[in-house]
Amino acid sequence: EIVMTQSPATLSVSPGERATLSCRASQSISSNLAWYQQRPGQAPRLLIYDASTRATGIPARFSGSGSGTEFTLTISSLQSEDFAVYYCQQYNNWPLAYTFGQGTKLEIK
Amino acid sequence: QVHLEQSGAEVKKPGASVKVSCKASGYTWTSYGISWVRQAPGQGLEWVGWINPYNGLTDYAQKFRDRVIMTTDTSTNTAYMELRTLKSDDTALYYCARARGEFDSWGQGTLVTVSS
Repeated sequence: EIVMTQSPATLSVSPGERATLSCRASQSISSNLAWYQQRPGQAPRLLIYDASTRATGIPARFSGSGSGTEFTLTISSLQSEDFAVYYCQQYNNWPLAYTFGQGTKLEIK
Repeated sequence: QVHLEQSGAEVKKPGASVKVSCKASGYTWTSYGISWVRQAPGQGLEWVGWINPYNGLTDYAQKFRDRVIMTTDTSTNTAYMELRTLKSDDTALYYCARARGEFDSWGQGTLVTVSS
């Protein structure tokens, strides 16, 4: 099973600043990685797929990068609505055995 | 637009079974898979399994393989997840999601509570 490890567990950033979230895969997953945002009381929402492609309707301040085992989600200028939990997910062997990272909570500093 | 509507909350006793439904609209039902993901209170996301509505092919996470059955009804564009032999740590929100690699649309979640 491919294990996804996110860091940090909690990230404190001020509104208007940049946030950088990391995700590492236990083996190469090429670019088969997605990022999701989950606000309290809501279902997850797809932000990024194929490591760097923004999903429909996602603002340009969200960007993804990386391939192989190291991935990054960057939010360029944090808005109040961006404070949430973020999960990465690999789908390298789709449709077999998807796995999620444990999440990074992005909180207001 | 794409919409996934899930069935309502359930309360079950340990050892019982639960069946959650997910009705899809706004897209061609057989063109995407449906995955099920659960989230225990205060915890992260855990993939349960996947079904292909086109041919009924399934794949389940190893830890659920002996307790879960996923099915679809093409006449109503509905997917079902049945989880058997429930335990208290199965208490969670269960989500369905449209899946093609990434999960691009999600249901609202169904809370399953297992309590004696």
